[in-house]
Amino acid sequence: QVQLVQSGAEVKQPGSSVKVSCKASGVILNIYSLTWVRQAPGQGLEWVGGIVPTFATANYAQRFQGRVTITADEPTSTAYLEVNSLTSEDTAIYYCAGARLGYCSDGVCYTHYFDSWGQGTLVTVSS
Amino acid sequence: ETVMTQSPASLSVSPGERIALSCRASQSVSTNLAWYQQRPGQAPRLLIYGASTRATGIPARFSGTGSGTEFTLTISSLQSEDFAVYFCQQYNDWAKTFGQGTKVDMK
Repeated sequence: QVQLVQSGAEVKQPGSSVKVSCKASGVILNIYSLTWVRQAPGQGLEWVGGIVPTFATANYAQRFQGRVTITADEPTSTAYLEVNSLTSEDTAIYYCAGARLGYCSDGVCYTHYFDSWGQGTLVTVSS
Repeated sequence: ETVMTQSPASLSVSPGERIALSCRASQSVSTNLAWYQQRPGQAPRLLIYGASTRATGIPARFSGTGSGTEFTLTISSLQSEDFAVYFCQQYNDWAKTFGQGTKVDMK
């Protein structure tokens, strides 16, 4: 059974950066991707991007391209999400979610539905 | 980007009622469609994948239908623990997108 355990809550100032982590267990990472989904207060779910740790291939939603970096450390089965130039609009719960890999082609990886979720990490951006 | 649109935005119902939630895709996603349930203060939970296959441990009162651009999640007899927000999500594209959610609360 896949378990995803995320790092704790963060409070950051506008303009700074935040890095959150997601440690996976019970899964073989060469067939699994780790994805970040965020949820602003009272709002819906928004896909930020994901990574297949074994291939170190990260894909991003267009609106986050250039401001967000997703990395992974395969030996520790941990994925990271770094968000730069934080504003109050980045205040949200950031969830790590896992999905089986379909295939990768031309620099993008196609994955399946999210069958595991972390507990969420609250990031608050406030001066 | 494939835009997912859910309706209604909210629904007030009584326990025991049957409800149907709609999800529409802006372009065909085949049957690469999942439904998630999110209870207050919790992470989302996978209910349905492949448009109609229940995830492990999901009760039979939950069912999904549809393909292409039109999908439906039906709860046959609403239980108290089913009052929650429901999201659809397409995974046909490498860029994943969610619907905005349908909130189901008690009448």
